[in-house]
Amino acid sequence: GQNIDQPTEMTATEGAIVQINCTYQTSGFNGLFWYQQHAGEAPTFLSYNVLDGLEEKGRFSSFLSRSKGYSYLLLKELQMKDSASYLCAVSGDYKLSFGAGTTVTVRA
Amino acid sequence: EAGVAQSPRYKIIEKRQSVAFWCNPISGHATLYWYQQILGQGPKLLIQFQNNGVVDDSQLPKDRFSAERLKGVDSTLKIQPAKLEDSAVYLCASSLSRQGAYEQYFGPGTRLTVT
Repeated sequence: GQNIDQPTEMTATEGAIVQINCTYQTSGFNGLFWYQQHAGEAPTFLSYNVLDGLEEKGRFSSFLSRSKGYSYLLLKELQMKDSASYLCAVSGDYKLSFGAGTTVTVRA
Repeated sequence: EAGVAQSPRYKIIEKRQSVAFWCNPISGHATLYWYQQILGQGPKLLIQFQNNGVVDDSQLPKDRFSAERLKGVDSTLKIQPAKLEDSAVYLCASSLSRQGAYEQYFGPGTRLTVT
């Protein structure tokens, strides 16, 4: 099975940087996904890591260390529209297991 | 490209009643998932279909929940009878394949309230 931990809430100022950490324990590993979910909406894909290292995609970057069971999502140049829940999800045994999500609040 | 469609968007029922949700995945996506998302939690997989066959229903409460995917396209999820703890958002998702690298695309969800 999977055990996925991420902080419940984070608050940051517009224009700042926020790092959301995710640790996991898994019986099988086929990659790690980050999804963004605005209140009342469906999750949308942000990033996928299967090898160790940093994947950069515009203002968002995601890092993975498989030996440590650790990932982070880095949000740069925060905008008000980035206020949302960020879900860490581990792919293993042909299914995704989600963490509870980190609610990020961006303040002006 | 059309996304994943779900209906209804909202449903309010009393406990012990039955309810059904419908999902139409992205065209060509072989794998379809139903998730339950309780407020403040991440989505929990209920059942996964590959074409019209069930490949994982280990977390589906089979005494009250059922799902089918006839013809390998649309799917329905049914709850009978509903309990108060079934109040949640039911998300349908689809992907090209069940292999781990394939992104899942989510529908808007059905928000169920059981009173």
